[in-house]
Amino acid sequence: DQQVKQNSPSLSVQEGRISILNCDYTNSMFDYFLWYKKYPAEGPTFLISISSIKDKNEDGRFTVFLNKSAKHLSLHIVPSQPGDSAVYFCAASASISGNTPLVFGKGTRLSVIA
Amino acid sequence: GAVVSQHPSWVICKSGTSVKIECRSLDFQATTMFWYRQFPKQSLMLMATSNEGSKATYEQGVEKDKFLINHASLTLSTLTVTSAHPEDSSFYICSARESFWGPGDQPQHFGDGTRLSIL
Repeated sequence: DQQVKQNSPSLSVQEGRISILNCDYTNSMFDYFLWYKKYPAEGPTFLISISSIKDKNEDGRFTVFLNKSAKHLSLHIVPSQPGDSAVYFCAASASISGNTPLVFGKGTRLSVIA
Repeated sequence: GAVVSQHPSWVICKSGTSVKIECRSLDFQATTMFWYRQFPKQSLMLMATSNEGSKATYEQGVEKDKFLINHASLTLSTLTVTSAHPEDSSFYICSARESFWGPGDQPQHFGDGTRLSIL
């Protein structure tokens, strides 16, 4: 049973346009969400996070939106750049402290076309 | 920022040998480290949670005798793939958790991964 779902395995966007990556979760105990970017043969790189007490968090070109009632979050990248091409993982945690591991989605491969 | 060093980055070895992968937290103490495995085009699958000074907690379906985890200090955890076979070929990633973190932080810092190829 997948608790974190990224239903789009891939996404292509033109340079300069907005990229929207979606993530759904099923576990209502999740209260902290993160987005990671990953290049092949490298570890994930943290991008941005959001706590369940917020519905939006912004950091430069990256904005994460959280809809708790729908158990849905999204990552917006605007404007998209060719260097943004990578696999993006959504992750969730059931506790802001302690030893609870992150639960990852399967990832969405973003291709930004120049 | 916090850095996690994972070594080696790439290993090629013969079937039947054992391979040790090290994960070090360079500028913080990590009471908890996690080991993940990633198959091509798949998600990061948690293999085990490693707590300093105690036995690792393995996820369902992960053979503890196959994947030996040792977390002897607050900055080092090791994963040993024993008697490796071609089906063990994968990308292994460790992460380390700081003792205290809060909103805006990332709870886990990842190493760059180890690509293991068993011939």
